[in-house]
Amino acid sequence: GGIITQTPKFLIGQEGQKLTLKCQQNFNHDTMYWYRQDSGKGLRLIYYSITENDLQKGDLSEGYDASREKKSSFSLTVTSAQKNEMAVFLCASRLGNYAEQFFGPGTRLTVL
Amino acid sequence: GQQVQQSPSSLVLQEGENAELQCNFSSTATQLQWFYQSPGGSLVSLLSNPSGTKHTGRLTSTTVTKERRSSLHISSSQTTDSGTYLCAIDRNYAQGLTFGLGTRVSVFP
Repeated sequence: GGIITQTPKFLIGQEGQKLTLKCQQNFNHDTMYWYRQDSGKGLRLIYYSITENDLQKGDLSEGYDASREKKSSFSLTVTSAQKNEMAVFLCASRLGNYAEQFFGPGTRLTVL
Repeated sequence: GQQVQQSPSSLVLQEGENAELQCNFSSTATQLQWFYQSPGGSLVSLLSNPSGTKHTGRLTSTTVTKERRSSLHISSSQTTDSGTYLCAIDRNYAQGLTFGLGTRVSVFP
């Protein structure tokens, strides 16, 4: 088995601030994902990475940067936080294409 | 793009009742997963079932690939089953999952 950890659990920032969310997995999975979950809108893909140093944009990448410096970690940066970005950010990973996907506990972002 | 529709949007059960949740999708799915999310919680993978029937505990999923639909049957519901059930299908290549909006299940004693 394995686990995905996300830090911080809660993140409070000011409008316009640059904020970084971190994700670590010990499954030794190749592919990692960042999703955003808004109430009433379901989960949407922000960025994904199929291997170390690879980055691919999802449907919602504008306003975000990502970094995959190690196989086990995947970071997401909100480049300039906006009040309409208050949401839960979920990290996920899986071994390969079409394999079962596992999720971390999430980071809840609040922008003041 | 791919779309995933779940029904009903919400469901109220008395403990012990059975429930059937539906998931319809707009294109062929190579992978289909059912997830459970407790209020304020993360997603827990329940079943990975791109075709056929799979069981785990009191849950049974049946996916008919040609008809682009999947169902999740909960038998003998318990109060701890309360939460949101999400269906998701695989996008092309490694591009992650496309999710439905979920079915919110409330089980009362």
